[in-house]
Amino acid sequence: DQQVKQNSPSLSVQEGRISILNCDYTNSMFDYFLWYKKYPAEGPTFLISISSIKDKNEDGRFTVFLNKSAKHLSLHIVPSQPGDSAVYFCAASAPGGADGLTFGKGTHLIIQP
Amino acid sequence: DTAVSQTPKYLVTQMGNDKSIKCEQNLGHDTMYWYKQDSKKFLKIMFSYNNKELIINETVPNRFSPKSPDKAHLNLHINSLELGDSAVYFCASSHATGAQPQHFGDGTRLSIL
Repeated sequence: DQQVKQNSPSLSVQEGRISILNCDYTNSMFDYFLWYKKYPAEGPTFLISISSIKDKNEDGRFTVFLNKSAKHLSLHIVPSQPGDSAVYFCAASAPGGADGLTFGKGTHLIIQP
Repeated sequence: DTAVSQTPKYLVTQMGNDKSIKCEQNLGHDTMYWYKQDSKKFLKIMFSYNNKELIINETVPNRFSPKSPDKAHLNLHINSLELGDSAVYFCASSHATGAQPQHFGDGTRLSIL
């Protein structure tokens, strides 16, 4: 049973435009959410996170939005750059983090020149 | 300086063998993890160690055993390797469990012949 879902396996966006990656979760115990970026043959790289007490967190070109009632979060990248082409994973953890991170299956973002 | 390093990067071996994967972190973190990324690309938690104590253990076969000689190292030993063990194994670390980002190594690709 997937507790974190990324329903778009891939997304193609033109350079300079906004990229929006979506993630849904089912476990209402999750209180901390993260986005990771992954290049082939490398490990996931932490991008940005958000606690359930917030609805928005911004870091440079990256903004994460959390809608707790809808159990939905999104990552906005503005403006999109060629180096942003990678697989993006959404992840979540419950209080205490004893169960580690639960990951989505990832979305492959392709930035078109 | 590599923050979380795993060795080897690739491991090809035969069914029935015993192998180990090493992980070291130089971030001063006190919690370390092992994740498995299977053929469907899901990243799933296997183990985590906090202050040299195992704090979670998902439904992983007991052929897999984590060993932590000190806070900076968490090695993964696998006995009697099976075909289904073929996957990419990622080590990660964080300051603590809970609302903390985890930092990942580049993975070890294990192939069972």
